[in-house]
Amino acid sequence: NAGVTQTPKFQVLKTGQSMTLQCAQDMNHNSMYWYRQDPGMGLRLIYYSASEGTTDKGEVPNGYNVSRLNKREFSLRLESAAPSQTSVYFCASKLAGRNEQFFGPGTRLTVL
Amino acid sequence: SQQGEEDPQALSIQEGENATMNCSYKTSINNLQWYRQNSGRGLVHLILIRSNEREKHSGRLRVTLDTSKKSSSLLITASRAADTASYFCATAYMTTDSWGKLQFGAGTQVVVTP
Repeated sequence: NAGVTQTPKFQVLKTGQSMTLQCAQDMNHNSMYWYRQDPGMGLRLIYYSASEGTTDKGEVPNGYNVSRLNKREFSLRLESAAPSQTSVYFCASKLAGRNEQFFGPGTRLTVL
Repeated sequence: SQQGEEDPQALSIQEGENATMNCSYKTSINNLQWYRQNSGRGLVHLILIRSNEREKHSGRLRVTLDTSKKSSSLLITASRAADTASYFCATAYMTTDSWGKLQFGAGTQVVVTP
């Protein structure tokens, strides 16, 4: 099993450009999450999907959209990137009835 | 806003010593979890303690929870160089619609020197 995979690993954007971060899990998990990690601030939840077909806002959703494409895949889209979105983005997943989350390796995004 | 606050922010110890880090939180929780993050990697789940538990062990890890003080501690005994990482506490909401959402602290950076 690959676990949780994320693409790309690194990305540099110019202000105003758009892009989609991809996340997939092969553990048959029900819930999936997108976080951002900034220095000294831990992880903050952007959006989550409790199950296939549902998505909800987390703590910092402004400037982002998500799509739960199927049970395996959960993508995060930046429609018009801003320098404040420079961060490391992590995708995570969780099996229903369990508490621990499994994380991907992250995408390091820089917006110039 | 962050639920968990961790202390210290950074910790430097020698191999064989114990490492202790603390986490305080603000509102009632269902459970508290500790994660480890090696440099440039994703987080890895270490241990979970439920709100009705006071202490839990897993290998060289010992976690305590004091719900009256809204605090938890993680102890790593006999540390090794491979324990060098950042450690995060994460609290799970009490609300029924939480869907497993976690709030993370800012982390404690631990460096273990040989």
